[in-house]
Amino acid sequence: AQSVAQPEDQVNVAEGNPLTVKCTYSVSGNPYLFWYVQYPNRGLQFLLKYITGDNLVKGSYGFEAEFNKSQTSFHLKKPSALVSDSALYFCAVRDRGNNAGNMLTFGGGTRLMVKP
Amino acid sequence: DSGVTQTPKHLITATGQRVTLRCSPRSGDLSVYWYQQSLDQGLQFLIQYYNGEERAKGNILERFSAQQFPDLHSELNLSSLELGDSALYFCASSVVGSGSNTGELFFGEGSRLTVL
Repeated sequence: AQSVAQPEDQVNVAEGNPLTVKCTYSVSGNPYLFWYVQYPNRGLQFLLKYITGDNLVKGSYGFEAEFNKSQTSFHLKKPSALVSDSALYFCAVRDRGNNAGNMLTFGGGTRLMVKP
Repeated sequence: DSGVTQTPKHLITATGQRVTLRCSPRSGDLSVYWYQQSLDQGLQFLIQYYNGEERAKGNILERFSAQQFPDLHSELNLSSLELGDSALYFCASSVVGSGSNTGELFFGEGSRLTVL
């Protein structure tokens, strides 16, 4: 079975400061990893994904994430936070060895609050 | 705009009733996924269809059922509704449904169900 943990329900950061949203995962094989963002009353929007290759993945809106296999982590980062980044962020995983379907398993979400 | 369309956006009904939620995937996408988002359970995978066939099943109650039609749109049927079924129901789509797919899912805006 695959699972995702987002240990922080909420992350608070000041505008202009770097931000990190943490994610750890568990799969039986090698993972595909994803980050999504959800704004109020909206669906989930894809930010970035790790499939293979470079451990640092760059995505939309200046976000990036670092894959760390030994720590089974995929933390989301941004060098300089904007107030408009305030939203709910979800980490998701799929076991690339899972041939029964390619649904994603999501973490519980982390609310990011960026204050002016 | 993800290209995934869900109707209705909001639905209020009473306990014991039955509702149908509809989803039209992105043009060209063969797979449809249904997720339930509630405050205490996070995002839970319900079921996946690929080109009309059920592909994977998650935590879907027996009172719930789904199908995918030849034109690839999907419907999620919820019956004998209980208060606890109040949630946001998301549909997502992707191009393929095989285990070799590395692609992200594209989410609709969701259908908010309130059971009174």
